[in-house]
Amino acid sequence: LAKTTQPISMDSYEGQEVNITCSHNNIATNDYITWYQQFPSQGPRFIIQGYKTKVTNEVASLFIPADRKSSTLSLPRVSLSDTAVYYCLVGPKNYGGSQGNLIFGKGTKLSVKP
Amino acid sequence: NAGVTQTPKFRVLKTGQSMTLLCAQDMNHEYMYWYRQDPGMGLRLIHYSVGEGTTAKGEVPDGYNVSRLKKQNFLLGLESAAPSQTSVYFCASSLRAHGETQYFGPGTRLLVL
Repeated sequence: LAKTTQPISMDSYEGQEVNITCSHNNIATNDYITWYQQFPSQGPRFIIQGYKTKVTNEVASLFIPADRKSSTLSLPRVSLSDTAVYYCLVGPKNYGGSQGNLIFGKGTKLSVKP
Repeated sequence: NAGVTQTPKFRVLKTGQSMTLLCAQDMNHEYMYWYRQDPGMGLRLIHYSVGEGTTAKGEVPDGYNVSRLKKQNFLLGLESAAPSQTSVYFCASSLRAHGETQYFGPGTRLLVL
């Protein structure tokens, strides 16, 4: 099972860069790494996805080392509105792949203070 | 596009009652999922479907049944509700496997007394 492990919580201040690391030691060759953000009383929403090395979009960067056993979500210059729970999910993109290892985990609760 | 919608938004049941939660998506996605979220427990997969007419068990399937008679709809049923099923239920869909981006609905809050 491609189980993931994340810190339960993190604190930061506005304007700082935040790095959240996810461990996924049993990641499979065809698995991708996806990060989601969830605000209270809302469903999770997609932030970023990657397979290896570095991916950057308008809201975050994702760093994946060569062995792919971990990944780090980087949020530049966080604001109060980035206070949320962040989940990493590992899984295949190919149709028909087993979904038996679909485990979101408990996520990381990020609290951004003024 | 409405994306993923869930009905109802909130419901109160008495122990032993039954109900069905409806999830609908208009993105022509093959995969659909039902999760439950409890305080401090993150998201746990109840059942999922890889296409019309197919369903499979997830991490916590006991006490729930599902059906996917139409590609756009995924129903979650509670035959005899129990207080332990008090939770927030989220439906999601993805184009193919769960490694694809999952799109979530707004959730259904269920209270079982």
